[in-house]
Amino acid sequence: QVHLVQSGPEVKKPGASVKVSCKASGYIFSNYHLHWVRQAPGQGLEWMGLINPRDGDTSYAQNFQGRVSMTRDTSTTTVYMELTSLTFDDTAVFYCLGECNGCYYPESWGRGTLVTVSP
Amino acid sequence: QSALTQPASVSGSPGQSITISCTGTSSDVGAYNYVSWYQQHPGEVPKFMIYDVSNRPSGVSNRFSGSKSGNTASLTISGLQADDEADYYCFSYTTSNTYVFGTGTKVTVL
Repeated sequence: QVHLVQSGPEVKKPGASVKVSCKASGYIFSNYHLHWVRQAPGQGLEWMGLINPRDGDTSYAQNFQGRVSMTRDTSTTTVYMELTSLTFDDTAVFYCLGECNGCYYPESWGRGTLVTVSP
Repeated sequence: QSALTQPASVSGSPGQSITISCTGTSSDVGAYNYVSWYQQHPGEVPKFMIYDVSNRPSGVSNRFSGSKSGNTASLTISGLQADDEADYYCFSYTTSNTYVFGTGTKVTVL
């Protein structure tokens, strides 16, 4: 059973960066791609990118290219999503999602991390 | 990569059937059978409902079904129930090795 536990809420100022973590358990870490999704208040879901924990390969959505970085720590089975140059529009819940390699559909979701960008 | 297009809202009476469309392009929905669907109740984490266009994960009611024709995928909910009232999102793999969500559809049970 894939279990994803995300870090707690964050409050950041415009222009700052935020790094959100997602600890995976219940399965072989390298067997699942981890995706990140943003959902602003009252808005829809937006795919940000994914990381393959096996080799660290990443794929990012064009809207976030140059501003997002996804990394992993295999020793702690944790993936990280760092978003830089935050604006008020980045106030959102960020979810990590697990997708079995070669499945092309994320089936497991973390509980989400609220990031608030405030002056 | 633009979001896939879904109707903003769809409504139906209890017991009726409704269909939510998800229109993309030949670079996403039309390229592969890798369309999935998620249901999100207010304040909750989205729930995985359909994968590979028309397959249901274990535990999902058979009242939910999916299909695809060309660049448009569809989710049909039959025997509409009060608990089906939620937001629904389609999700597709793309030819750029990326993924894209739909714009989301609010389902209202009248």
